[in-house]
Amino acid sequence: NAGVMQNPRHLVRRRGQEARLRCSPMKGHSHVYWYRQLPEEGLKFMVYLQKENIIDESGMPKERFSAEFPKEGPSILRIQQVVRGDSAAYFCASSQGQGLGEQYFGPGTRLTVT
Amino acid sequence: SQELEQSPQSLIVQEGKNLTINCTSSKTLYGLYWYKQKYGEGLIFLMMLQKGGEEKSHEKITAKLDEKKQQSSLHITASQPSHAGIYLCGADATYGNKLVFGAGTILRVKS
Repeated sequence: NAGVMQNPRHLVRRRGQEARLRCSPMKGHSHVYWYRQLPEEGLKFMVYLQKENIIDESGMPKERFSAEFPKEGPSILRIQQVVRGDSAAYFCASSQGQGLGEQYFGPGTRLTVT
Repeated sequence: SQELEQSPQSLIVQEGKNLTINCTSSKTLYGLYWYKQKYGEGLIFLMMLQKGGEEKSHEKITAKLDEKKQQSSLHITASQPSHAGIYLCGADATYGNKLVFGAGTILRVKS
């Protein structure tokens, strides 16, 4: 049973470009979470999605960031017009259902903005 | 807002020694999660605790949640170099699966 998949593992973007990060949850999991780990900071929640629904986006920056989890395909975290402060490791986690449940993390995408 | 405090921030132990990492919450928890992260890599799920007084073990790692569900400890017995890494506690305080994480404890094991 494959774990949570994220791609790309490393992404380099120039300031002003767009970054698209992909996450495929574990088989049988329909809940996806995105977290961000900034250099020298802890892991922070960004957004929680189910298929075709955003459940909680309280951790998402108000501008330039968006997330989706379509009926078919992976979840996408999109960052428009990236700035140097967006450089971080972005982790995706998935769980089986609503409420308390084990969350399994992917290997992360390390975004570097030059 | 929910805050988690981990202690110690870092730890160096001799191989074979036991060690304990603590995680304290400012609020009562619905769930407490322990993860291990190798530098530059993803998080490996270790254990999840839900009930007050609950204790779980996996190989040489034991995690406990206190009765009030505000404090957890992670204990490693007879540490090995493979235990080295960053240990993170995460808490679900809203029953919404949104986890809040502590700052992490860096563990180094000397051979």
